[in-house]
Amino acid sequence: NAGVIQTPRHKVTGKGQEATLWCEPISGHSAVFWYRQTIVQGLEFLTYFRNQAPIDDSGMPKERFSAQMPNQSHSTLKIQSTQPQDSAVYLCASSLDNSQNTLYFGAGTRLSVL
Amino acid sequence: GDSVTQTEGQVALSEEDFLTIHCNYSASGYPALFWYVQYPGEGPQFLFRASRDKEKGSSRGFEATYDKGTTSFHLRKASVQESDSAVYYCALGEAQGGRALIFGTGTTVSVSP
Repeated sequence: NAGVIQTPRHKVTGKGQEATLWCEPISGHSAVFWYRQTIVQGLEFLTYFRNQAPIDDSGMPKERFSAQMPNQSHSTLKIQSTQPQDSAVYLCASSLDNSQNTLYFGAGTRLSVL
Repeated sequence: GDSVTQTEGQVALSEEDFLTIHCNYSASGYPALFWYVQYPGEGPQFLFRASRDKEKGSSRGFEATYDKGTTSFHLRKASVQESDSAVYYCALGEAQGGRALIFGTGTTVSVSP
């Protein structure tokens, strides 16, 4: 079991460019979560899928951010027109079913917007 | 809404010291409570959880007891090692599991030899 895999580990974009972050959850896990981590805000919830369906996106910025889960083996987080304030570590986690179960996190993608 | 409060932002200890990190929560019903640990360059790792009053969770010498009366889930370890240096997060999961985990602000623990 390789755990949750996130790619790339580091991404550098210029202001205004698009960034796509990838997450492969643990096989057999039906819930996938995205969090953003910064020094100032800590761990912020972004969005959550269960059985590929979006369940809660209350943490997603309304503009420029979108997430998808086209199949059970991967999810993507896309940020359009990146801004310096988007710089953060983006963490993906999966669990067997929901947040009552243990979340297993990937190592994260560090996004730097210049 | 539901929330988690960790009192200590940073804790500096020497090896073999006793560690306590305070965690208090605000939520209705019986949320699940978790402790996670994060090492540099890695994502948070599950340490343990508890889901009912007076239940004790433990792992790797760390322990915490769910206390509904004081709405607390304080993390303790009797004798820390340098390898325990990390960031520790308390987290809350809604009782029905429908919402994502809510994390505290984290406590950075530094243990010197």
